[in-house]
Amino acid sequence: AQSVTQLDSQVPVFEEAPVELRCNYSSSVSVYLFWYVQYPNQGLQLLLKYLSGSTLVKGINGFEAEFNKSQTSFHLRKPSVHISDTAEYFCAVSGSGGSEKLVFGKGTKLTVNP
Amino acid sequence: NAGVMQNPRHLVRRRGQEARLRCSPMKGHSHVYWYRQLPEEGLKFMVYLQKENIIDESGMPKERFSAEFPKEGPSILRIQQVVRGDSAAYFCASSPPLGFYNEQFFGPGTRLTVL
Repeated sequence: AQSVTQLDSQVPVFEEAPVELRCNYSSSVSVYLFWYVQYPNQGLQLLLKYLSGSTLVKGINGFEAEFNKSQTSFHLRKPSVHISDTAEYFCAVSGSGGSEKLVFGKGTKLTVNP
Repeated sequence: NAGVMQNPRHLVRRRGQEARLRCSPMKGHSHVYWYRQLPEEGLKFMVYLQKENIIDESGMPKERFSAEFPKEGPSILRIQQVVRGDSAAYFCASSPPLGFYNEQFFGPGTRLTVL
């Protein structure tokens, strides 16, 4: 079984500041890792994913994440945030079997202030 | 190519009534997943279906909840005799036929309110 812990429920930052959203996971098997973004009253949009290969993954909207197997972490970063990045961000894990359910963290609400 | 469609977007039911939530996957997708998001919580997996088959229902409550994905038409999540605790956002995701990795594409969700 897998589980995901998002260490911060809320992260307020100022516009153009860097941000890091933290995610740790646990699993007894190989995993795929994901970050999704949810804007108010909308569905989830995939930001980026780690399947294999390079541990630094680049996604949409200038976000990137680094897979650290020894620390079982997959933190999300952006060097300079915009007001439009205000949203809820979910880290998720699945087994590496191909078509497997996603296990989500509880989410981090990012608020970007002017 | 239209995305995953869910309807209704908002549904209000009184305790004891039935709720039917519909999900039309993306064109060419044959796998459907249902997730539930309770207030202040992340999404929790409920059920995974392929056409006419339930593959994994380990997240479905044992009573009152059922799901189907018929050969023709949308996937349906059915909740009988709803209770206030069923109030949540229900999301459907679809993915293409089996491959190395199958990204799940999410619909906009159905927000169920039980009065």
